[in-house]
Amino acid sequence: SQQGEEDPQALSIQEGENATMNCSYKTSINNLQWYRQNSGRGLVHLILIRSNEREKHSGRLRVTLDTSKKSSSLLITASRAADTASYFCATGPYSGAGSYQLTFGKGTKLSVIP
Amino acid sequence: KAGVTQTPRYLIKTRGQQVTLSCSPISGHRSVSWYQQTPGQGLQFLFEYFSETQRNKGNFPGRFSGRQFSNSRSEMNVSTLELGDSALYLCASSSTGIRSYEQYFGPGTRLTVT
Repeated sequence: SQQGEEDPQALSIQEGENATMNCSYKTSINNLQWYRQNSGRGLVHLILIRSNEREKHSGRLRVTLDTSKKSSSLLITASRAADTASYFCATGPYSGAGSYQLTFGKGTKLSVIP
Repeated sequence: KAGVTQTPRYLIKTRGQQVTLSCSPISGHRSVSWYQQTPGQGLQFLFEYFSETQRNKGNFPGRFSGRQFSNSRSEMNVSTLELGDSALYLCASSSTGIRSYEQYFGPGTRLTVT
């Protein structure tokens, strides 16, 4: 079953605008990660935010985490055509055996129009 | 460091056949996870291997199996293929340790079952 649910499912913006994607999850987490996937290819890790953090920045990315609402948001500022991709949030507690299993949402498909 | 590699990149098989996919993790990474991605179900965890042992398994039938070799390379096998097994199969590796949260994904193997 999906742990995270991204919102919106699709987003189309003009180059230079900001893009905001939201993610909600169901159970307690140690951390939450965001990944990017270009059309039908592998996923690229973007940023990780720990459960005791509220906000984190990396370049043009800003991630927030609200554990009381079980939600996170990813903001991409000054978007570029190259940002066109699907974005997934992922969560995953450790299993008892020390294994870390990621559970992904269904993703937000971002289109940045030049 | 070289990234995660997966072979083959594309594969077409017939129902009832079996298939083996291969994954070479980033050098030094001992954990390898496999995910299945389909338009309907999204990204779903298959299993994870660490030091040649399966540490965690997702909710997939026994037709899906895997193994890991002493050099950390991993293979997954799907027997008696069904049309619904058509998907992008992604392999991810991560470093060891309690804080090995980030996973590094390969480009995937696109399997089509006809």
